Amino acid sequence: NAGVMQNPRHLVRRRGQEARLRCSPMKGHSHVYWYRQLPEEGLKFMVYLQKENIIDESGMPKERFSAEFPKEGPSILRIQQVVRGDSAAYFCASSPLTGRDTEAFFGQGTRLTVV
Amino acid sequence: KQEVTQIPAALSVPEGENLVLNCSFTDSAIYNLQWFRQDPGKGLTSLLLIQSSQREQTSGRLNASLDKSSGRSTLYIAASQPGDSATYLCAVNLMDSSYKLIFGSGTRLLVRP
Repeated sequence: NAGVMQNPRHLVRRRGQEARLRCSPMKGHSHVYWYRQLPEEGLKFMVYLQKENIIDESGMPKERFSAEFPKEGPSILRIQQVVRGDSAAYFCASSPLTGRDTEAFFGQGTRLTVV
Repeated sequence: KQEVTQIPAALSVPEGENLVLNCSFTDSAIYNLQWFRQDPGKGLTSLLLIQSSQREQTSGRLNASLDKSSGRSTLYIAASQPGDSATYLCAVNLMDSSYKLIFGSGTRLLVRP
């Protein structure tokens, strides 16, 4: 059973371009979470999705950021018109359920650099 | 608002030493607390998960304790090895949003040969 797969591992974008980050959860997991880690900081929650539904997007910036988890295929975190401040590591986690006894498994992350 | 603080921010010890990493949180209404390891440029590896009803968890040379009432957790690493060098993150899982982890900024550990 492969772990949480994120691609690309590294992404370089010029200011103003779009960034698309992909996350394939572990097999059998229907809950996906995105976190962002700015340099020298801890991870910050961005969004929680189930298949075809956004459950909690309270950590997402109001503009330029969107996330989806379609019925088929990976979850996508999309950042439009990137700026230098978007440079960070973006981590995806997945779990089979949610709740107190559920452990989330993290992917290797996508490191976005905006030049 | 829940805040998670880790002290120290960085730690350098000689190989073989026992060490303690500290984590504190401001709101005791948590479901559980997790300790993760993060290697440079890599993802997170879960080390130990302590439920709010538990006092400690052990895995090999690692022992994590939880004192929910005082908002503190410690990660004890016995007989440290250079391979333990990494950043250690603690995270709490809140009762009012059990899927959301609140992370500390981490402790960067260097174990010198």
